Amino acid sequence: DAGVIQSPRHEVTEMGQEVTLRCKPISGHNSLFWYRQTMMRGLELLIYFNNNVPIDDSGMPEDRFSAKMPNASFSTLKIQPSEPRDSAVYFCASSQGTSGRTDTQYFGPGTRLTVL
Amino acid sequence: AQTVTQSQPEMSVQEAETVTLSCTYDTSESDYYLFWYKQPPSRQMILVIRQEAYKQQNATENRFSVNFQKAAKSFSLKISDSQLGDAAMYFCAYRRGGYQKVTFGTGTKLQVIP
Repeated sequence: DAGVIQSPRHEVTEMGQEVTLRCKPISGHNSLFWYRQTMMRGLELLIYFNNNVPIDDSGMPEDRFSAKMPNASFSTLKIQPSEPRDSAVYFCASSQGTSGRTDTQYFGPGTRLTVL
Repeated sequence: AQTVTQSQPEMSVQEAETVTLSCTYDTSESDYYLFWYKQPPSRQMILVIRQEAYKQQNATENRFSVNFQKAAKSFSLKISDSQLGDAAMYFCAYRRGGYQKVTFGTGTKLQVIP
């Protein structure tokens, strides 16, 4: 089975532009997580969904960030307008969503975002 | 709130030797799970090993094993017969039972010396 798929792998944009990151979770997984990784702040959870419903978005830094999950196999993280401080690696992860013993998060390859 | 602490920002090991990475966590829960993830230069976060808190037996995956000390809230990772491909950032992580949020440590960068 394919792992978590993210696109694009790299994104370079200019300040003020809209950026959309995409994620396809592992088939059959019911939970999806968006993380941001920077040197200064480490790995931060931005938002997570369970059965396509946002459960906790307390990590979303500000209103410029939004995330959607229109169906079980696709999610987007949008930044509008983007700022240089948004430069980071953004990871998507998915899990079965049972919260039980075997519920482990599996990560995608990440999207390296650079905002000039 | 749960916290995960990795006190070793960087470590190094000679190829074929054994190295232990430290992790401590703080929780008042009895039901939880602990993880070690590896992040090589490719940036991919890869699950290395998982431990259930209710299990006294330490988890093992090939050359990777853990020393889980529940009373001390310690969860160290031992890598035996280190290989060049083991060079990476290693993150310790905690998840409370019944919940889905995972708390990550700040990571330990492991260098493997040929």
